[in-house]
Amino acid sequence: GQQLNQSPQSMFIQEGEDVSMNCTSSSIFNTWLWYKQEPGEGPVLLIALYKAGELTSNGRLTAQFGITRKDSFLNISASIPSDVGIYFCAGPDGSSNTGKLIFGQGTTLQVKP
Amino acid sequence: KAGVTQTPRYLIKTRGQQVTLSCSPISGHRSVSWYQQTPGQGLQFLFEYFSETQRNKGNFPGRFSGRQFSNSRSEMNVSTLELGDSALYLCASSWRLAGDTQYFGPGTRLTVL
Repeated sequence: GQQLNQSPQSMFIQEGEDVSMNCTSSSIFNTWLWYKQEPGEGPVLLIALYKAGELTSNGRLTAQFGITRKDSFLNISASIPSDVGIYFCAGPDGSSNTGKLIFGQGTTLQVKP
Repeated sequence: KAGVTQTPRYLIKTRGQQVTLSCSPISGHRSVSWYQQTPGQGLQFLFEYFSETQRNKGNFPGRFSGRQFSNSRSEMNVSTLELGDSALYLCASSWRLAGDTQYFGPGTRLTVL
């Protein structure tokens, strides 16, 4: 089945630094979603991408839908302590005409004040 | 607009018992999906309901079941609990069955002793 490979697995950075993480797949996705999850909570949608090549920002966050439709990246600029959490990429399972999402393994971000 | 709500937030059960978890989607959303999240397996799709019908099912044993009511609220049930069922169970809702962004609830943390 479809799989999403997310990297890096974890990051430990200094406050103020920029962060970049990416997600790749061997198959095409028509939508890319980026979620953030904090301990004990459900994933919160950060950015949704619907078109190849699309570049979308949400505050300090920027995400791009790769032109091959097999990858996406998320950048966080000038990180702050509240950026701590697990970031997931996700996309709809193309083998079923339903809303089933495939998730990457997640990137754990820690920010040192 | 209220988000996705899940009850209860925390649950402790013993092996062999059964459990029912509840999810109320965002008002107007008709599709509800359930996911299991564990440290080892990540986020895995359980099933999806739309208009009171199960539209897709993940690779889980028959002990996992669900249903959706006419007001789009959904419940999932796990019978004969096993230790490995300990997980965060997440519910997500969307307007349509496919091609729509999903929004997650805070989850129910189930611990099986």
